[in-house]
Amino acid sequence: NAGVTQTPKFQVLKTGQSMTLQCAQDMNHNSMYWYRQDPGMGLRLIYYSASEGTTDKGEVPNGYNVSRLNKREFSLRLESAAPSQTSVYFCATPPDAGQGRATEAFFGQGTRLTVV
Amino acid sequence: LAKTTQPISMDSYEGQEVNITCSHNNIATNDYITWYQQFPSQGPRFIIQGYKTKVTNEVASLFIPADRKSSTLSLPRVSLSDTAVYYCLVGAPDNAGNMLTFGGGTRLMVKP
Repeated sequence: NAGVTQTPKFQVLKTGQSMTLQCAQDMNHNSMYWYRQDPGMGLRLIYYSASEGTTDKGEVPNGYNVSRLNKREFSLRLESAAPSQTSVYFCATPPDAGQGRATEAFFGQGTRLTVV
Repeated sequence: LAKTTQPISMDSYEGQEVNITCSHNNIATNDYITWYQQFPSQGPRFIIQGYKTKVTNEVASLFIPADRKSSTLSLPRVSLSDTAVYYCLVGAPDNAGNMLTFGGGTRLMVKP
């Protein structure tokens, strides 16, 4: 039982390159989130998906696209990377609302992205 | 969405009790108060949640006054391994569209 798995763990991109960050969860949860965390800062929500087939913008969606491929997987794509997107990216998934624990999210170990 | 305000940083020494206060003046009736802990180079980890009065688990205690406009996370007898960033969030645990909004958190440094 791996929980939330993110790949890759580290990545260096050149400005203008594209890449997709992968997130998979084996907890059978409906909701999944993508956050970014800049050095010394808190987490900011990029996109979230309340269920398979639905996605919504969070606080900082510009420059990103997401795909909820199925219930397990939620990917984040940078079409044209910029140095301002240098950050640590976290994927998270909370238990379903019906369990009364929708605020107790489980996080992946993060993807450390550097754009040069 | 209710916002939260916490101190940016706190210092403590091993063995001391640490209390971190969070303000959430606009908390909604259905909102709970949730705290997360984040160690360096790791994702945040849920540690405790409460609605009112006091909640205690093996990691911490959470004190919530009757007006629920603030809450206090209490860490008993901290050790060096409690050095982390602590985040206070408010939200409804039964809300399917709940967006978990993290503020800047409180950076706790425990010294020997």
